[in-house]
Amino acid sequence: DAGVIQSPRHEVTEMGQEVTLRCKPISGHNSLFWYRQTMMRGLELLIYFNNNVPIDDSGMPEDRFSAKMPNASFSTLKIQPSEPRDSAVYFCASSLDQTAYEQYFGPGTRLTVT
Amino acid sequence: QQPVQSPQAVILREGEDAVINCSSSKALYSVHWYRQKHGEAPVFLMILLKGGEQKGHDKISASFNEKKQQSSLYLTASQLSYSGTYFCGTEKRNSSASKIIFGSGTRLSIRP
Repeated sequence: DAGVIQSPRHEVTEMGQEVTLRCKPISGHNSLFWYRQTMMRGLELLIYFNNNVPIDDSGMPEDRFSAKMPNASFSTLKIQPSEPRDSAVYFCASSLDQTAYEQYFGPGTRLTVT
Repeated sequence: QQPVQSPQAVILREGEDAVINCSSSKALYSVHWYRQKHGEAPVFLMILLKGGEQKGHDKISASFNEKKQQSSLYLTASQLSYSGTYFCGTEKRNSSASKIIFGSGTRLSIRP
């Protein structure tokens, strides 16, 4: 298996623009996680899905952030409008199930909002 | 809610041992350990699911003390490849779901 695939790997955008990050989990994994990592806040869980259903989105910073998982092989994280403080590395991870199994992280998307 | 890791950073010479601690103010259901090298994604090391459980492979092991609400990661005879930031994650449960909350990490540097 190719592992968790994320695109783009780098994104530079101007404040106010819409940003869409994409993730393809490992085939057969039932859970998908979106994380944000910054020096100040560390590794934060934004939202996670189980069997394509959002289970916990309490980590989503505000209404500007939204995530979808239309099917078992694809998820998106959208920021609209983007702000400079959204600059971070965004990781997608997948696992067989929610918390009892290891999570496989994608390579991440480095987002810079100017 | 976030587990507390200590120390925040440690510098070792190759061959020395290290211990990284992870503690929680809440009951621990499981503890997850990951390592992240600079510029890369976190990589899974191990999960401890039961109090008293100990696991290990290739000179890296961990213990889980459920009563003390803490876990420790032991790195024996450290190698240069052990450098990176180590994260512990603890399981947080509510009535409907559970999730892993990661600590702020311990930066480990190994010198030749």
